[in-house]
Amino acid sequence: GAVVSQHPSWVICKSGTSVKIECRSLDFQATTMFWYRQFPKQSLMLMATSNEGSKATYEQGVEKDKFLINHASLTLSTLTVTSAHPEDSSFYICSAPRRLNTEAFFGQGTRLTVV
Amino acid sequence: GIQVEQSPPDLILQEGANSTLRCNFSDSVNNLQWFHQNPWGQLINLFYIPSGTKQNGRLSATTVATERYSLLYISSSQTTDSGVYFCAGEGSGGSNYKLTFGKGTLLTVNP
Repeated sequence: GAVVSQHPSWVICKSGTSVKIECRSLDFQATTMFWYRQFPKQSLMLMATSNEGSKATYEQGVEKDKFLINHASLTLSTLTVTSAHPEDSSFYICSAPRRLNTEAFFGQGTRLTVV
Repeated sequence: GIQVEQSPPDLILQEGANSTLRCNFSDSVNNLQWFHQNPWGQLINLFYIPSGTKQNGRLSATTVATERYSLLYISSSQTTDSGVYFCAGEGSGGSNYKLTFGKGTLLTVNP
């Protein structure tokens, strides 16, 4: 089946630094990928849609300058949390559908802790 | 956007019991899926079920699209079934496959 791989699985960084998270589709090309955030004991909230070859689209309330998204190839999207602060600590997870109107697959997630 | 309501929020079972989890949508949905989130956070795909009924081992799911709800059945539950179960769907207005998640059902299966 389709597989989406996310790296790293967890990261601890100092306040003020930037962290990059990678999301790869391993056996299919994904022109669109999605980034979600999940706070402890809460549901997943969509942050942004990553579009290959064009700008990402962000959900209301998500700061595009803080959460930089790059979708440089058909198999890789990256999320960079810039100038991270403790309130950015969360579980970040990406997803990609093999094609529209089929099931979406999710990466393993990245647990970010900002200290 | 659509609203997704899951029930019950919490469920405690003895091993071997059966259970039904429900997901209600405020509007018509596309690409309805059920997931199990394991203790490490990974979302495991259970069913892609925009309509109809599917079965996979001890799990089965039914979606009644016209009435905007879906059910997940777990039979003969095992301790390894513990975790959070999410349903998610995309509003039928065509939102480029943006999934809206329910708040989840936390299932605990005791030995």
